[in-house]
Amino acid sequence: GAVVSQHPSWVICKSGTSVKIECRSLDFQATTMFWYRQFPKQSLMLMATSNEGSKATYEQGVEKDKFLINHASLTLSTLTVTSAHPEDSSFYICSAAPPGQGVNEQYFGPGTRLTVT
Amino acid sequence: SQKIEQNSEALNIQEGKTATLTCNYTNYSPAYLQWYRQDPGRGPVFLLLIRENEKEKRKERLKVTFDTTLKQSLFHITASQPADSATYLCALDEAAGNKLTFGGGTRVLVKP
Repeated sequence: GAVVSQHPSWVICKSGTSVKIECRSLDFQATTMFWYRQFPKQSLMLMATSNEGSKATYEQGVEKDKFLINHASLTLSTLTVTSAHPEDSSFYICSAAPPGQGVNEQYFGPGTRLTVT
Repeated sequence: SQKIEQNSEALNIQEGKTATLTCNYTNYSPAYLQWYRQDPGRGPVFLLLIRENEKEKRKERLKVTFDTTLKQSLFHITASQPADSATYLCALDEAAGNKLTFGGGTRVLVKP
């Protein structure tokens, strides 16, 4: 099956700094990737849709200037959490689906645990 | 308002029995409904997808039903095993565009 990787798997940063998380599709090209956030004991909440070569589409309530998304190639999307605060501490997960097959199941990355101190 | 509800209480079940999970939704008209498995600290893993015009789908020991009149999907794990212990998430895709909205998940614990 298709593989999606994320890097780093976990990161600790100080309040006010920025953190970049990478999402890669390893064996397929993805024009669209999705970024989710999951707080402890809660479900995944879609943050934004990352579109290769164009601007990301953000869900209501998600600050686009705080969560910068760049989808510069067909296999890589990055999420940068700018000026991170403790309330941004969460589990960030990306997903993608191989193109050209209609509606597909999503392949999720292993997630990135962000802790802001 | 739109809601996707799964039983938030953990489901404890004896090995070999059938686990049945529910996913109810309101104010959605999903084109597709999907079920995922999530282990602690990991990303979800796809299990089954069912379309709005399908009543039932099976994959090995898993079965999903979809009732658009009741606005409900049932997810069954037959002959459950301890390795099936995980959180199971249902997700709706309204526009068939792969943009998923997830329910809160139900944790299943299969005891040997």
